[in-house]
Amino acid sequence: AQTVTQSQPEMSVQEAETVTLSCTYDTSESDYYLFWYKQPPSRQMILVIRQEAYKQQNATENRFSVNFQKAAKSFSLKISDSQLGDAAMYFCAYRDSGGGADGLTFGKGTHLIIQP
Amino acid sequence: DGGITQSPKYLFRKEGQNVTLSCEQNLNHDAMYWYRQDPGQGLRLIYYSQIVNDFQKGDIAEGYSVSREKKESFPLTVTSAQKNPTAFYLCATQFEWRSNQPQHFGDGTRLSIL
Repeated sequence: AQTVTQSQPEMSVQEAETVTLSCTYDTSESDYYLFWYKQPPSRQMILVIRQEAYKQQNATENRFSVNFQKAAKSFSLKISDSQLGDAAMYFCAYRDSGGGADGLTFGKGTHLIIQP
Repeated sequence: DGGITQSPKYLFRKEGQNVTLSCEQNLNHDAMYWYRQDPGQGLRLIYYSQIVNDFQKGDIAEGYSVSREKKESFPLTVTSAQKNPTAFYLCATQFEWRSNQPQHFGDGTRLSIL
């Protein structure tokens, strides 16, 4: 079974600074998808960014970017110019590209605190 | 997501009672999912449905049941066999189960024991 590990239960960053959240995963598959979701206090799950394993180029969405290292099975999220609205729980998630069991496998999350 | 409606927002269950959580979507997505979230934990998959009239057990299906009679609806019943049902429940949809598109989530239902 696939597993996703987020080793940082909590991170704190000053407003306008850059922070990197770590995620590692374990899989025997060669084709899969990786996601970062944000969960603010409202408990909504909001997609931040996604990466397809067959694409070597790291995904970028405005201030959010990933460092995808397929051989190391690492998928970190970098948030640049941190804003107060970025404060939330961040979950890394994995999904096979198809066949077999479906659904997302989530890490336990990182609580991101933004210091004004 | 505006296209996924979960109800009720809060639900209380008495001992020995079955309760049903509703999930309705108007996104025309084929696949639907139920996740459970406990404090300090990520989401865990309870059941999923890739298409109407078909559903599969996820990682923690014991004590839960589902149906998928319509494309738009995927209700989750928490039975009395689920001994620790207190949690936050999230419903999600996906365009189709093989798609590279992400899952979209509803706003969740918080279930508590009376």
